[in-house]
Amino acid sequence: QKEVEQDPGPLSVPEGAIVSLNCTYSNSAFQYFMWYRQYSRKGPELLMYTYSSGNKEDGRFTAQVDKSSKYISLFIRDSQPSDSATYLCAMSAGYGNKLVFGAGTILRVKS
Amino acid sequence: DARVTQTPRHKVTEMGQEVTMRCQPILGHNTVFWYRQTMMQGLELLAYFRNRAPLDDSGMPKDRFSAEMPDATLATLKIQPSEPRDSAVYFCASGFRSVEQFFGPGTRLTVL
Repeated sequence: QKEVEQDPGPLSVPEGAIVSLNCTYSNSAFQYFMWYRQYSRKGPELLMYTYSSGNKEDGRFTAQVDKSSKYISLFIRDSQPSDSATYLCAMSAGYGNKLVFGAGTILRVKS
Repeated sequence: DARVTQTPRHKVTEMGQEVTMRCQPILGHNTVFWYRQTMMQGLELLAYFRNRAPLDDSGMPKDRFSAEMPDATLATLKIQPSEPRDSAVYFCASGFRSVEQFFGPGTRLTVL
């Protein structure tokens, strides 16, 4: 079993929909949780960064962490075709530790 | 606009040839990571350096891969000899006193 599990999708939604992307993990030492967005033929780009449990909001994006369930989510409100990309979750126990990535979920937003 | 740069962006080579990929981390960043991305395996950490010293290269096939940081502005990843199974996108990322990593655009390697 992988340390971080992420459904690869693809997930296809109409423009304007609310998108929910999720990851589960097994390592209780993880304290830092990140979401990266990767467009086709580009490098991953850091989207959101959360420490420990709770919510963080940035514009149309909201990241949630539930450490008791070992479950993290990324919500995208009012999704746009430009949001079409692969979204990778990533986690770390802290500075000096490796960043462990999920497999990535392919998201397609149709106009 | 601070970015990680990587060269070459694309490389096609024949099996058995040496391949060298270069990375320039963001100025001031003291940690450099090398990743490989394939459809089957996703993003795999190959090696990383802090303050130019190698900290972990356990993800790298030791017999053919080597990674170095000749100076703070240059990291290299070499494959010798290359094999078709090495075909992948190789990413460099850098960071500074944080878990955040900033990725370069990648080198797309095809070994025939």
